[in-house]
Amino acid sequence: KAGVTQTPRYLIKTRGQQVTLSCSPISGHRSVSWYQQTPGQGLQFLFEYFSETQRNKGNFPGRFSGRQFSNSRSEMNVSTLELGDSALYLCASSLALRERDEQYFGPGTRLTVT
Amino acid sequence: AQKVTQAQTEISVVEKEDVTLDCVYETRDTTYYLFWYKQPPSGELVFLIRRNSFDEQNEISGRYSWNFQKSTSSFNFTITASQVVDSAVYFCALSEKGQGAQKLVFGQGTRLTINP
Repeated sequence: KAGVTQTPRYLIKTRGQQVTLSCSPISGHRSVSWYQQTPGQGLQFLFEYFSETQRNKGNFPGRFSGRQFSNSRSEMNVSTLELGDSALYLCASSLALRERDEQYFGPGTRLTVT
Repeated sequence: AQKVTQAQTEISVVEKEDVTLDCVYETRDTTYYLFWYKQPPSGELVFLIRRNSFDEQNEISGRYSWNFQKSTSSFNFTITASQVVDSAVYFCALSEKGQGAQKLVFGQGTRLTINP
């Protein structure tokens, strides 16, 4: 079974631009979560989508948004990029049939904002 | 509010030594889930174990073992006879019941280096 895939793997953007990251979950998984990892703040939860609906949201500004498609693939968008948005963005998928179902992570997209 | 503390920022040991990674958590919920993940240099987080708050049984998987103690809000991870391939950053995480419990709160991670 294929794992979680994320595209692109690396991205360089300029301050003020916007960016869209993509995540394809493990087949059959209905929940997709996004996390931001930085050296200073560590791993922080952005949001979770389940059956095309945002079910959970972290404490990030409205510049960070996402969506999920009917095939469970998800995208996250960051508008008006700031230098502090440079980070590794990790996507995770889960069956989410039970609350305790674990999340499986993709390799991440490393975003650099210059 | 939920919080996970991994007080050990970095640990360095010689191969074959045993090493314990500490994890202390805070939550007001009575039902919650604890996890350990490994992040090798490639960056992908690898799931290691999940524990439910109502199951305090310790678990052993090969060289890995986990000690869950609700009385001290700790969920420690021990690697026995460490190997160089165990070198990675290890994260402890917590999720609370409700809303699918898919929102993970992570500790800051412990960078483990196993020297040959």
